[in-house]
Amino acid sequence: DSGVTQTPKHLITATGQRVTLRCSPRSGDLSVYWYQQSLDQGLQFLIQYYNGEERAKGNILERFSAQQFPDLHSELNLSSLELGDSALYFCASSPRTTNTGELFFGEGSRLTVL
Amino acid sequence: EDKVVQSPLSLVVHEGDTVTLNCSYEVTNFRSLLWYKQEKKAPTFLFMLTSSGIEKKSGRLSSILDKKELFSILNITATQTGDSAIYLCAFVNFGNEKLTFGTGTRLTIIP
Repeated sequence: DSGVTQTPKHLITATGQRVTLRCSPRSGDLSVYWYQQSLDQGLQFLIQYYNGEERAKGNILERFSAQQFPDLHSELNLSSLELGDSALYFCASSPRTTNTGELFFGEGSRLTVL
Repeated sequence: EDKVVQSPLSLVVHEGDTVTLNCSYEVTNFRSLLWYKQEKKAPTFLFMLTSSGIEKKSGRLSSILDKKELFSILNITATQTGDSAIYLCAFVNFGNEKLTFGTGTRLTIIP
């Protein structure tokens, strides 16, 4: 158990809908990262927050948004869902102020869009 | 564009064999290279390498980085069925917070 908690574990929804994925980082970790893992593209970095502020942005679609709250939990919002958004979404946290790479991953939220 | 390439894509060996997984990279402002193991769900951290030629070791697993030739290897000796997983290589560069992953090597250990 990494100490990173993600909910929900599984989510099935229809195209055009909106979902919110939630992440609680390890106690004391200020950085939160979101990754998308699909079968054909591996682990893709989406976005990072540090202590409530956006720190880095990857290949995140405009339909997707995220935020980190004062209690350090983070939410990833996915809207106007398409079939291709079906994937495993990971949250990870890091204890360091800058990313040396040692991240602690949650178990992921598996999103299925029908 | 920065990239990392892993080989082989998949590997099937018998229990007790030794395997070597490869990771080559082209990265500007390289900071560190990392290895992760992904079994069913969450990737778990194995090693972080920042200096060339210094071997990191944990039990039957070891890894080394060559910053001149831009590659890293992950060795697993006396493999066990529990070593079956996807092994991911990733890098971090200075001035950029993201961890960029390769597509991984799927290792299968046959009893």
